[in-house]
Amino acid sequence: RKEVEQDPGPFNVPEGATVAFNCTYSNSASQSFFWYRQDCRKEPKLLMSVYSSGNEDGRFTAQLNRASQYISLLIRDSKLSDSATYLCVVPRPGGFKTIFGAGTRLFVKA
Amino acid sequence: NAGVTQTPKFQVLKTGQSMTLQCAQDMNHNSMYWYRQDPGMGLRLIYYSASEGTTDKGEVPNGYNVSRLNKREFSLRLESAAPSQTSVYFCASSDLTGGLDEQFFGPGTRLTVL
Repeated sequence: RKEVEQDPGPFNVPEGATVAFNCTYSNSASQSFFWYRQDCRKEPKLLMSVYSSGNEDGRFTAQLNRASQYISLLIRDSKLSDSATYLCVVPRPGGFKTIFGAGTRLFVKA
Repeated sequence: NAGVTQTPKFQVLKTGQSMTLQCAQDMNHNSMYWYRQDPGMGLRLIYYSASEGTTDKGEVPNGYNVSRLNKREFSLRLESAAPSQTSVYFCASSDLTGGLDEQFFGPGTRLTVL
């Protein structure tokens, strides 16, 4: 089993839709989690951090379920500019070896 | 503030050639990282430097060497390039130690080895 797994998609949604991505992780000792956004042929950039049960920032909500070992990202009222790849990121406890998921591709259509 | 800069942006090598990828950050961060990104796979850590003067292997260090020249600069060297090293290489830096903090990435170097 991979340490971090994501549905690769792609998710194709119309503008205004609500879309959710899940990410499962295998190390139950992990304490902090991140969602990064990566535009085509660009570098990843931090979207949200998740340290406890969840986090909300405008149209974006991240939830953490420790019992089932997954985090989710919910995007409400999707915009064309939300089209990107979303990376789930889980730092390994006690070290520097952060694990990046392969990413979920989202296409928002007009 | 330029953030994290990388040079070159693109490079084509022949098998067996060597090259050094340069990375610099101006955010006074302690930790720096080198990753590679291949289609369908997440970023994989090649080497990291927890602080100035230290370097350690990541998940996929074979075929690479690194130098933490000073607090700002962290270079990645391919001694004898192989086609399997065709990839996009990202340098990153972070402030807090232990990787439990936001990582800031450079724009990447697209390397093709023929």
